[in-house]
Amino acid sequence: SQKIEQNSEALNIQEGKTATLTCNYTNYSPAYLQWYRQDPGRGPVFLLLIRENEKEKRKERLKVTFDTTLKQSLFHITASQPADSATYLCALADSNYQLIWGAGTKLIIKP
Amino acid sequence: ETGVTQSPTHLIKTRGQQVTLRCSSQSGHNTVSWYQQALGQGPQFIFQYYREEENGRGNFPPRFSGLQFPNYSSELNVNALELDDSALYLCASSKGLAGYEQYFGPGTRLTVT
Repeated sequence: SQKIEQNSEALNIQEGKTATLTCNYTNYSPAYLQWYRQDPGRGPVFLLLIRENEKEKRKERLKVTFDTTLKQSLFHITASQPADSATYLCALADSNYQLIWGAGTKLIIKP
Repeated sequence: ETGVTQSPTHLIKTRGQQVTLRCSSQSGHNTVSWYQQALGQGPQFIFQYYREEENGRGNFPPRFSGLQFPNYSSELNVNALELDDSALYLCASSKGLAGYEQYFGPGTRLTVT
């Protein structure tokens, strides 16, 4: 069956370090992949979109990579800050371009 | 530019009842997607509307139905509520069907007792 996996355990990172989150998928050939941030009790907020023919995308302190051979995307936050603490969700576009979501990884940045 | 809004914010219903949730899409967006999110899980796709037509449906029973109006706002209706329907219901709008980021509303927290 189609599956998207993100680290289920919370990721604790010291302020100023780089946080790296992983999104693995099986049985998909997504045209693109998106990363979102979700704070408690709120809807997800779009961060980055990367297409299947792109290896890397950057936006300010954020970087996303997409390896279609490994079926994996990595999401990096450099110079992390306590305000970056949230749950980060990856979502793949299926063959109908509808988004299939991972369960998210909770990121905690410690001062 | 007005963002995506949803109403109501919270709702408590009894098993077997019916509920209607509402969503106003962001200005300039013609596509609305509805999701169900259980605690600690990612959003689960319910269905999507594009220019007033249903464009796809996830693994949800027919008692989950929807509408999109000419102004691209949308409704989600759930009949014969079950306890497992308790969740956060999210609406997201986008500029089109494919390759666009989705803008989410704050969600409606539905509790079924």
